[in-house]
Amino acid sequence: DTEVTQTPKHLVMGMTNKKSLKCEQHMGHRAMYWYKQKAKKPPELMFVYSYEKLSINESVPSRFSPECPNSSLLNLHLHALQPEDSALYLCASSISGTGKGYTFGSGTRLTVV
Amino acid sequence: LAKTTQPISMDSYEGQEVNITCSHNNIATNDYITWYQQFPSQGPRFIIQGYKTKVTNEVASLFIPADRKSSTLSLPRVSLSDTAVYYCLVGDPGGGGNKLTFGTGTQLKVEL
Repeated sequence: DTEVTQTPKHLVMGMTNKKSLKCEQHMGHRAMYWYKQKAKKPPELMFVYSYEKLSINESVPSRFSPECPNSSLLNLHLHALQPEDSALYLCASSISGTGKGYTFGSGTRLTVV
Repeated sequence: LAKTTQPISMDSYEGQEVNITCSHNNIATNDYITWYQQFPSQGPRFIIQGYKTKVTNEVASLFIPADRKSSTLSLPRVSLSDTAVYYCLVGDPGGGGNKLTFGTGTQLKVEL
């Protein structure tokens, strides 16, 4: 399995809702990432998990809460989002030291109404 | 972190070779150079990675001069399906949880 799987592919949520984005990989990668991408802009790093511990938080608002339950799963919990949070949310994973780059999922298209 | 600079856009025709250059003047000793391709509403896809000189795989070549302050992605004989955004990233792949930042990318448009 050489894929990063993200669910759901599309999500519409109200500003008072709580939802979660899920990401799964079975490549044995020990680093996992959340990126946010607005239209016609490059992906922006949000969080990095290394060996299931949060290692980087790029000053992301607390309405975004990451979680790494185990080495294969990464969640992003969403609460009280704003319309400007609408974007493509990308998950990625990587294995350290091999120079093979990141593997990205196809993303979750989030719309906040 | 090494900052990268790429052309905003490039146009080409099918069958031509396309070279996209990326400038990364403050690249660090441990940094590798990685290129990704992204289609609309999809995640970026790894194309190629290198440290110095030349790297070639089945889809592209990467040329890195001795000073490593720039790199060139070469796509041989492009087709319409190569129309995409291409990102150059510079960073240290060693260790878990490294921080790679995307630059603005280059929108490549291939026409008939």
